[in-house]
Amino acid sequence: DIQMTQSPSSLSASVGDRVTITCRASQSISGYLNWYQQKPGKAPKLLIYAASSLQSGVPSRFSGSGSGTDFTLTISSLQPEDFATYYCQQSYSIPCTFGQGTKLEIK
Amino acid sequence: QVQLQESGPGLVKPSETLSLTCAVSGYSITNSYYWGWIRQPPGKGLEWIGNIYHSGSTYYNPSFKSRLTISVDTSKNQFSLKLSSVTAADTAVYYCARHRNGGSLSPFDPWGQGTLVTVSS
Repeated sequence: DIQMTQSPSSLSASVGDRVTITCRASQSISGYLNWYQQKPGKAPKLLIYAASSLQSGVPSRFSGSGSGTDFTLTISSLQPEDFATYYCQQSYSIPCTFGQGTKLEIK
Repeated sequence: QVQLQESGPGLVKPSETLSLTCAVSGYSITNSYYWGWIRQPPGKGLEWIGNIYHSGSTYYNPSFKSRLTISVDTSKNQFSLKLSSVTAADTAVYYCARHRNGGSLSPFDPWGQGTLVTVSS
């Protein structure tokens, strides 16, 4: 199985901050990397697919980049509704696997 | 718009079989998409369980393969999960989801709201 490792595991930031979350794959996954946002008690929501494509309806302050083994999710200017847990997921090979999550908290 | 809704017992005894159904509305399950199951133990991360196409073609996570059956009922526009010989480690919120496009490995969107299944005697 391909292991996905996110860093940091948790992050404190303020409204208006620029935030970057990193995801590393244990082997190359080309651009088959997706990002999800999950709020407490809710299902995950797809934000970014294929490393850098913004899912319809997702604000443009979210962006993704990377290829191969190293990927980033950037939120350009944090809004109050962005405080949540973020997961990366590889869709390169079965079984698809998720990172352990990054919890973004209000400073 | 497509909506998914999980249903099934919230409590299952150890060694028994966990059975869940995902009802799909607003979209015919016989159109081109894979439909999947993902779970999340309380306070932990996400784990892919498996998926199915309307033809019945399945992909399973090898971690579950010997205990898992995913099936589809096109007449009811729903698909189901059966996980046998459960233990406390199978306690989790179980989500159903549609794969975003036609591939079995495409991202998950949308998701159902999830249902908590507790394994306990």
